[in-house]
Amino acid sequence: EVQLVESGGGLVKPGESLRLSCAASGFTFSNYTINWVRQPPGKGLQWVSSISPRSDFMYYADSVKGRFTISRDNAKNSLYLQMNTLRAEDTAVYYCARDRGSADFDSWGQGTLVTVSS
Amino acid sequence: DIQMTQSPSSLSASVGDRVTITCQASQDIYKFLNWYQQKPGKAPKLLIYDASTLQTGVPSRFSGSGSGTDFTFTISSLQPEDIATYYCQQFDNLPYTFGQGTKLEL
Repeated sequence: EVQLVESGGGLVKPGESLRLSCAASGFTFSNYTINWVRQPPGKGLQWVSSISPRSDFMYYADSVKGRFTISRDNAKNSLYLQMNTLRAEDTAVYYCARDRGSADFDSWGQGTLVTVSS
Repeated sequence: DIQMTQSPSSLSASVGDRVTITCQASQDIYKFLNWYQQKPGKAPKLLIYDASTLQTGVPSRFSGSGSGTDFTFTISSLQPEDIATYYCQQFDNLPYTFGQGTKLEL
């Protein structure tokens, strides 16, 4: 069974940093592009970032470019999102999502909540 | 960025009704469109990809159509378990963008 489990969320102050993790199991992690998608409380879905299977390509939404860094460790079946200089508008549930090959996200984690507030 | 506009934003329907949601892209996205279902407190679930292909295991009462800029998502006979918010998503260009969602209520 495909499983993605996010962790690392929490309450931080504006300007602080946080690192999210996503642990994958049940599939060959190194074969897939993986994405971060977020959802602010009560709002819709926002794509955040994407990383190719061998980390050759990383892409970011403009709203996080320069502040967030996506990475992965295929040996550990893990995905990461380093979030720096956090802002109130980054408050959201963050999901990792497997990309089956053409940006159709067929498996998602349960999400981890990041709250940025003073 | 490609803007995705869904309508309606919310919809009240009865069990057995035929339900239709539309999604309009701000530019031609060919058939590069997916549909997701999200229930409260849960992660989204992929229902339809490439505008009209049903994801494995998804009931056949769900369907999608369209190409270019105009797309339609249909539930042929609404079931109680279909109460959720539905999102379209384009993947023609980065950044991938979602519609604002359609909340379906009984």
